[in-house]
Amino acid sequence: GAGVSQTPSNKVTEKGKYVELRCDPISGHTALYWYRQSLGQGPEFLIYFQGTGAADDSGLPNDRFFAVRPEGSVSTLKIQRTERGDSAVYLCASSSHSRGLAGDEQYFGPGTRLTVT
Amino acid sequence: TQLLEQSPQFLSIQEGENLTVYCNSSSVFSSLQWYRQEPGEGPVLLVTVVTGGEVKKLKRLTFQFGDARKDSSLHITAAQPGDTGLYLCAGMGAGSYQLTFGKGTKLSVIP
Repeated sequence: GAGVSQTPSNKVTEKGKYVELRCDPISGHTALYWYRQSLGQGPEFLIYFQGTGAADDSGLPNDRFFAVRPEGSVSTLKIQRTERGDSAVYLCASSSHSRGLAGDEQYFGPGTRLTVT
Repeated sequence: TQLLEQSPQFLSIQEGENLTVYCNSSSVFSSLQWYRQEPGEGPVLLVTVVTGGEVKKLKRLTFQFGDARKDSSLHITAAQPGDTGLYLCAGMGAGSYQLTFGKGTKLSVIP
């Protein structure tokens, strides 16, 4: 595909349930990022993958949050025992790292809006 | 923790006016990016600035990175209704691929 895609676009779940959010990055992009955007705020970093491995997971808020990227392409963000405070838009971005650290350009998907009732 | 402060938070102007949005931090960034976000969509990258003092132009938009790489500005000339949206600045710290975002400036251009 031409851009980053995310599914589902909307997810409503009950408190305490488990959810999975999927991200399909731009073809050929080795780096993949997850961010979370609450209402009225800018996106907040959660985790970054280089290939299959999580290179930086310092933004994950607690151990209920986990992400995988088993084949170095599609990634899944998993949230266990969801809480109302988890409600937000979850954004995925990808990058080719062609410019290295100086000027790395991240391209975002449309996001998944998660609502925990 | 690196923080980016954006101002103003909200801006409503008439078509044809000029405006400037500011992005400030006490931290040094290796690069800074500006995004525009429409409701229900993800942020769309407008520009990346890397060198202190760098100025980049994108049609009616002019982006500047401060000499010390701690701040940036976005200037729009002769704003049009199509410029309406949320403008976000995001900085990348040294040795990290994390982007730290500001809260954004919500711009409304009235025809």
